[in-house]
Amino acid sequence: DIQMTQSPSSLSASVGDRVTITCRASQSISIHLNWYQQKPGKAPKLLIYAASTLQGGVPSRFSGSGSGTDFTLTITSLQPEDFASYYCQQNYISPPEWSFGQGTKVEVK
Amino acid sequence: EVQLVESGGGLVQPGGSLRLSCVASGFTFSSYWMTWVRQAPGKGLEWVANINQDGREKYFVDSVKGRFSISRDNARNSLSLQMNSLRAEDTAVYYCARVWVGHCSGNDCYRAFDFWGQGTMVTVSS
Repeated sequence: DIQMTQSPSSLSASVGDRVTITCRASQSISIHLNWYQQKPGKAPKLLIYAASTLQGGVPSRFSGSGSGTDFTLTITSLQPEDFASYYCQQNYISPPEWSFGQGTKVEVK
Repeated sequence: EVQLVESGGGLVQPGGSLRLSCVASGFTFSSYWMTWVRQAPGKGLEWVANINQDGREKYFVDSVKGRFSISRDNARNSLSLQMNSLRAEDTAVYYCARVWVGHCSGNDCYRAFDFWGQGTMVTVSS
């Protein structure tokens, strides 16, 4: 099984801050890495797939990078609507058992 | 408009069974892998199960293997999760989601869960 480890588990930030969240896979997954945003009481929303490709409609202040085992989600200028939880997910080819990281909660400082 | 609507959640005693359903609309259901993801109260997301387009390939997280089964009815655009021998630790909101192929590079395809239902709550308690 591929294990995904996110850090930090939570962070406090202010509007306008640059925020970075990291995700590490227990084995190389190439760029089979997605990022999701979830707000309280809502279903997750896909932000980035294939490590760095922005899903349609997602603001360009979100970006993803990395390959192999180490990945990063960056929000360049945090907006009020970005306070939420963020999850990485691996979707490596086989077997298709696509685990999530434990999540990072971005809170108001 | 793509829509996924789950139903079937509720309160069940430990050791009991429950069947969740997810009805899809707005896309060609039979062309997509589908998946179930759950979230225990105050916890993170946990992938639970996948099923391929014709229902012949099924995969489960270790913690539910042998207890949960996944199935689909492409004629009715419906996905199901049969949950048996339920435990307190199965208490969660259960989401169904569509597995979308973002793009492929040769035989290597990059998938993601692009549309999600609103979720249905399952509570296992005596």
